[in-house]
Amino acid sequence: AQSVTQLGSHVSVSEGALVLLRCNYSSSVPPYLFWYVQYPNQGLQLLLKYTSAATLVKGINGFEAEFKKSETSFHLTKPSAHMSDAAEYFCAVSETGTASKLTFGTGTRLQVTL
Amino acid sequence: GAVVSQHPSRVICKSGTSVKIECRSLDFQATTMFWYRQFPKKSLMLMATSNEGSKATYEQGVEKDKFLINHASLTLSTLTVTSAHPEDSSFYICSARVPGSGEAFFGQGTRLTVV
Repeated sequence: AQSVTQLGSHVSVSEGALVLLRCNYSSSVPPYLFWYVQYPNQGLQLLLKYTSAATLVKGINGFEAEFKKSETSFHLTKPSAHMSDAAEYFCAVSETGTASKLTFGTGTRLQVTL
Repeated sequence: GAVVSQHPSRVICKSGTSVKIECRSLDFQATTMFWYRQFPKKSLMLMATSNEGSKATYEQGVEKDKFLINHASLTLSTLTVTSAHPEDSSFYICSARVPGSGEAFFGQGTRLTVV
């Protein structure tokens, strides 16, 4: 079985500050890991994914995440927050293969203040 | 990039009626699609895995007779909420994974309100 833990249901940062959203996973097989962003009443948009290639993954909108097997972590970072980054962020894990379901964390709401 | 289209985006129905939600993969074939339900300010809960040409696989606690899933083609899966009740009101999202890439794309979601 796989699971994801997102520490912090709410994170607030000032515009221009570092964004750090934490994600730890549990998986009995080498995982695929994902970060998604969701704006109100919309579906999920993929920010980035780890699929066993480079451990530092760069995504859209300046976000990146580093896969650390020893820490079972896949934290999401962005050097400088922008007001438009305010949204709900979900970390997800899956096994390989297109028939594998994604298991989501509980989500972290990012607030960006002036 | 790959696109998954979900329709309708919003629907309001009366208690006791049925509502059908469509999920289409627009530029790739999806033998497997996934249906999620999201409660307000909560994470996504997998309801079922839709398999083209065969029966869907439901997660524990999900009523298969209430949430009917049909995956009749490689680009279309439907979720029908039968005899809807107010407690079925929720945000429903479908997803499909692109063969070979491992990447999952999501539909825009459907906001169902049962009155």
